[in-house]
Amino acid sequence: QSALTQPPSASGSPGQSVTISCTGTSSDVGGYNYVSWYQQHPGKAPKLMIYEVSKRPSGVPDRFSGSKSGNTASLTVSGLQAEDEADYYCSSYAGSKKVVFGGGTKLTVL
Amino acid sequence: EVQLVESGGGLVQPGGSLRLSCVASGFTLSSYGMNWVRQAPGKGLEWVSYISSDSSTIYYADSVKGRFTLSRDNAESSLFLQMNSLRAEDTAVYFCARRHTSGWFYFDFWGQGTLVTVSS
Repeated sequence: QSALTQPPSASGSPGQSVTISCTGTSSDVGGYNYVSWYQQHPGKAPKLMIYEVSKRPSGVPDRFSGSKSGNTASLTVSGLQAEDEADYYCSSYAGSKKVVFGGGTKLTVL
Repeated sequence: EVQLVESGGGLVQPGGSLRLSCVASGFTLSSYGMNWVRQAPGKGLEWVSYISSDSSTIYYADSVKGRFTLSRDNAESSLFLQMNSLRAEDTAVYFCARRHTSGWFYFDFWGQGTLVTVSS
């Protein structure tokens, strides 16, 4: 069982928006603004998409955005494109020098 | 171009040991803290360990503390993960990942991983 809870799947049609949630506790997501999101295509290494809840690394399209409310963080992908189909993982600093991940969400572009 | 290349994975019996390596290129390894993150087959990601740029700070996940040891050789641009007392649940692809400048708990570049299989 993963420390952070994500829905196992999400889907949307090209051009639509989809939001993936990531629920933790006050000891991780709710306690720190240290949430990040990773995209992983099959057989590939993960790629950092969002850090510090809502910041995008250089090169990540602004179609990807992050937010947080209480113990739940969210990743929104706007203007869905075929190449967005992948697994998405949230992560949070959890205090005591630990990092926790969510179980992952498989995003399908219909 | 930033590159991280892991090696050293393979099949090992329960209770055995294995040493993973990660060679960095395209950036100055001595300026960055580094992490290992693993992924069991068909499963999610799990953070394993972190080492600061000068090796003065090392963190471990509870699941590997006391069994795994993380070290680095900046002169050789290399990172090492010594894994002892291996268990079936350690079976995973092990990725080395560079820390982001905003925090050691963000991973901005990843290698392709090396597979460790613990089985008799």
